[in-house]
Amino acid sequence: QLQLQESGPGLVKPSETLSLTCSVSGVAIASSSYYWGWIRQPPGKGLEWIGGIYYGGSTYYNASLQSRLTIAVDTSENQFSLNLQSMTAADTAVYYCVRSDFWSGYPRHFDSWGPGMLVTVSS
Amino acid sequence: DIQMTQSPSSLSASVGDTVIITCRASQNIVTYLNWYQQKPGKAPKLLIYSASTLQSGVPSRFSGSGSGTDFTLTISGLQPEDFATYHCHQSYTNPGFGQGTRLEAK
Repeated sequence: QLQLQESGPGLVKPSETLSLTCSVSGVAIASSSYYWGWIRQPPGKGLEWIGGIYYGGSTYYNASLQSRLTIAVDTSENQFSLNLQSMTAADTAVYYCVRSDFWSGYPRHFDSWGPGMLVTVSS
Repeated sequence: DIQMTQSPSSLSASVGDTVIITCRASQNIVTYLNWYQQKPGKAPKLLIYSASTLQSGVPSRFSGSGSGTDFTLTISGLQPEDFATYHCHQSYTNPGFGQGTRLEAK
């Protein structure tokens, strides 16, 4: 059974870089034709797509975050990661890692989610 | 970007009621519309994809319809476990979500 689990720091200082990892169990990222991505939710607000990576290595980023964002896959560890630079208070949110099917250039529906991880940006 | 607008933003209902939540897209998204249920402190859960296809394991009291720009999520015979927040998501282009609809017990 597929499981996703986020890990990383729960507190980041302004201007620093956030690094999160999503550990995947139950399926091998390298051998599955899926999209692996990140979605966030500021406290009390709606969901925002951050970006993701298709199993072949192509990355897809939210244009509003693209200049600060890197998403990568580590197939040896069956993990994928998010690096978000120059963090500000506006980046405070619960960060979810997700899986989606993928066709014609877009993720189509997010059928598996990690439990989420609250990241707070504060000095 | 495609804007997604849900209505209402919140509603109150009783067990046994039929509830309808709507989602409107700012342009034609065909049937690239998904619905998620989120309970407090939990991750969203996929309920319906491609506007009307029920995700495996989801009770049949949930149904979705619509195409183009207007979509609905219907819960027929509301159960206590259905009180939650519901999100729509367009997957026609880069993902975009509605602001959510909070369903509370009356």
